[in-house]
Amino acid sequence: DAKTTQPNSMESNEEEPVHLPCNHSTISGTDYIHWYRQLPSQGPEYVIHGLTSNVNNRMASLAIAEDRKSSTLILHRATLRDAAVYYCILRVFSGGYNKLIFGAGTRLAVHP
Amino acid sequence: DTEVTQTPKHLVMGMTNKKSLKCEQHMGHRAMYWYKQKAKKPPELMFVYSYEKLSINESVPSRFSPECPNSSLLNLHLHALQPEDSALYLCASSQLRQGNEKLFFGSGTQLSVL
Repeated sequence: DAKTTQPNSMESNEEEPVHLPCNHSTISGTDYIHWYRQLPSQGPEYVIHGLTSNVNNRMASLAIAEDRKSSTLILHRATLRDAAVYYCILRVFSGGYNKLIFGAGTRLAVHP
Repeated sequence: DTEVTQTPKHLVMGMTNKKSLKCEQHMGHRAMYWYKQKAKKPPELMFVYSYEKLSINESVPSRFSPECPNSSLLNLHLHALQPEDSALYLCASSQLRQGNEKLFFGSGTQLSVL
């Protein structure tokens, strides 16, 4: 299965933009890129996903490299509530079914 | 209602016990999932149900037995577990729309096996 690579941790100051990188050099043409985040004592929460084009929603933006071997999750103005583990995930179509393959995640600390 | 409800929130069991984890959603989702998450690790897929039928078993030991009695409920039956099975067990659900599946996760059951 295709895998993702993320930095273990990152830090940001409140109200500053945050760019969370992810490498997925073995991605195949049909694999979607998903991002989820997990706050303490909670299950993962969907953030955003895309296939080839950059995507925006109310939570974040997703920038996908032209060769699709890397992507960046952008939080435009970090808040204290954004402190979480952010997972870059490939949605893989395997054996006739879809599977989410989680990366190791980046722990984001946000400082006041 | 966009919630996935898992019960119990915490469970302590001995290696000879039989217990069950329960998961419920009322979003009309026809795919349901069990994930296992060890401390400070990412979730690992265990099982996937599509239309109440088991579609993916990620080589999970038989001491874990999933069940999907209807489209809203998902159970995980536990028997003769080992201490290394202690983990957070997460349930999730999604629509079955090719490529766009957004998973909704519950808060999990924190399981300790003594």
